[in-house]
Amino acid sequence: DVKVTQSSRYLVKRTGEKVFLECVQDMDHENMFWYRQDPGLGLRLIYFSYDVKMKEKGDIPEGYSVSREKKERFSLILESASTNQTSMYLCASSSYGDDNYGYTFGSGTRLTVV
Amino acid sequence: QKEVEQNSGPLSVPEGAIASLNCTYSDRGSQSFFWYRQYSGKSPELIMFIYSNGDKEDGRFTAQLNKASQYVSLLIRDSQPSDSATYLCAVTRRDDKIIFGKGTRLHILP
Repeated sequence: DVKVTQSSRYLVKRTGEKVFLECVQDMDHENMFWYRQDPGLGLRLIYFSYDVKMKEKGDIPEGYSVSREKKERFSLILESASTNQTSMYLCASSSYGDDNYGYTFGSGTRLTVV
Repeated sequence: QKEVEQNSGPLSVPEGAIASLNCTYSDRGSQSFFWYRQYSGKSPELIMFIYSNGDKEDGRFTAQLNKASQYVSLLIRDSQPSDSATYLCAVTRRDDKIIFGKGTRLHILP
């Protein structure tokens, strides 16, 4: 089975802290994505990457950055955490080689910024 | 117009009945369509995908696509309490990114 692993299930950080959310996939997928999910707003794309060292802004990139130094790892960085970044963060991966291009999601990180 | 629209629900269906979930999308260039199931507190799980007009069946699930009407649906036959979840419709845009609807909450009544 494809596995997408997010390093933390729950995280509590203070306002102004730099926060790193890690995501690792073990199926050699080219594409990786970071979403946040909020009640009433659904899933919103923050950043994505189609290759190592490549990154593209999604629909809500402000306040975030990403890093993809290795194919299997895609990190989301909150440069200076704020309370409005309290959310569920979901990492996903996909491959052009798959027959459906659908995303496989990690289990999510629920981040609380206090 | 929202890119992917779903009724938020909750949709309540008696156990054993057919649950019908609907979704409309705005981009006529969309080529791929997905249904994800998300249990409370869990991440979305892909359950169906469809590319061509018509029906696609997988077990108790049937996905239906009508590109002319820009409409996708998911039918769940013989609904079970374990089917109670939020169902997310997702559609690829012309730039190949997948856009998600906000989901429909389904509640199967025992």
